[in-house]
Amino acid sequence: KAGVTQTPRYLIKTRGQQVTLSCSPISGHRSVSWYQQTPGQGLQFLFEYFSETQRNKGNFPGRFSGRQFSNSRSEMNVSTLELGDSALYLCASSLDGKTYEQYFGPGTRLTVT
Amino acid sequence: DQQVKQNSPSLSVQEGRISILNCDYTNSMFDYFLWYKKYPAEGPTFLISISSIKDKNEDGRFTVFLNKSAKHLSLHIVPSQPGDSAVYFCAASDQGGSEKLVFGKGMKLTVNP
Repeated sequence: KAGVTQTPRYLIKTRGQQVTLSCSPISGHRSVSWYQQTPGQGLQFLFEYFSETQRNKGNFPGRFSGRQFSNSRSEMNVSTLELGDSALYLCASSLDGKTYEQYFGPGTRLTVT
Repeated sequence: DQQVKQNSPSLSVQEGRISILNCDYTNSMFDYFLWYKKYPAEGPTFLISISSIKDKNEDGRFTVFLNKSAKHLSLHIVPSQPGDSAVYFCAASDQGGSEKLVFGKGMKLTVNP
């Protein structure tokens, strides 16, 4: 069974631009969660989608948004990029959102210059 | 406010010896705890978990201990192997309330041959 895939793997953007990251969960998984990893803060929860609905949201500004499609693939969007948004963005999928069954993708490394 | 704390950023041990990774938490609502291992350029991989109704869970070389009164958990790796060298994250969830994981900042384990 294929694992969680994330595209692109690396991205360089300029301050003020926007970016869209994509996540394809494991086949059959309906929950997708997004996390931001930075050296200073570790992994921080962004949001979780289940059956196209956002169920949980972390403590991030409204510039961070996401959506989930009917095939469970998910995208997250960051608008008006700031230097501090440079991070590794990870998505994780699970069958129904149970945290102990989350499987992570390799992440997208976003660099904002 | 960091709800899950891994106070030591790194640990170095000799191959064959025991590695002990510690984690403290502040939120008494957490009832499920997980350890993830992360290699560079890869997403975190689930390692072992423990429910708050237990005080110990063992899986091969990995054992997690939970001390609820002290709000402390630890991961023991015995014997340590060079392939165990990675960043280890402690995570917690409040399954009754949400599906999001709260992570510590991680600890880099180096196992020397």
